[in-house]
Amino acid sequence: DIRMTQSPSTLSAAVGDRVTITCRASQSISRWLAWYQQKPGKAPKVLIYRASNLESGVPSRFSGSGSETEFTLTISSLQPDDFATYYCQHYNTYSRTFGQGTKVEIK
Amino acid sequence: EVQLVESGGVVVQPGGSVRLSCAASGFAFENNMMHWVRQAPGKGLEWVSLISWDGGSIFYADSVKGRFTISRDNSKNSLYLQMNSLRTEDTALYYCAKDSNEYYFDHWGQGTLVTVSA
Repeated sequence: DIRMTQSPSTLSAAVGDRVTITCRASQSISRWLAWYQQKPGKAPKVLIYRASNLESGVPSRFSGSGSETEFTLTISSLQPDDFATYYCQHYNTYSRTFGQGTKVEIK
Repeated sequence: EVQLVESGGVVVQPGGSVRLSCAASGFAFENNMMHWVRQAPGKGLEWVSLISWDGGSIFYADSVKGRFTISRDNSKNSLYLQMNSLRTEDTALYYCAKDSNEYYFDHWGQGTLVTVSA
């Protein structure tokens, strides 16, 4: 089974900071990766799919990059609404696998 | 507007059974793959199971294989999860999620809580 590992687990940042979260796959997954944001008490919301495609309605300060085994989610200028937990997810035809999550906290 | 509304969450003893339901609206349910995803209290997301648009393809996470059964009724726009032989580690908020045409989850329900406790 493919394992997804995110780093860091927790990140402290200030409003306006550039933030980068990394997700590594245990084997090559091409670009079959999505990123989600989850706020406390709410369902997750997709931000990025196929590694770098921005979901409709998601602010352009979010971007994704990478392929094969290493991927990044970047927030170009952190906003107050962005403090949340972020998950990467690998997908194929028969399963979905999440990373363990990265919590972005206020510095 | 896409809506997914889960129900059926309950407190149940270890070894017991629960059936969850998800009522879908606002999209062509019969055309979409659907999923169950769970989240234990204070923990991360765990994919549980998927079912293809016609029920012809079904897959499970290893942690629930042989104990959980996913099904759907396209005439009722509904998704189900039959959970048997429940364990304390199955305690979680269970989400119903719609698969996009790109295989990621583009809509989620609000979740229904299953607590397995003696």
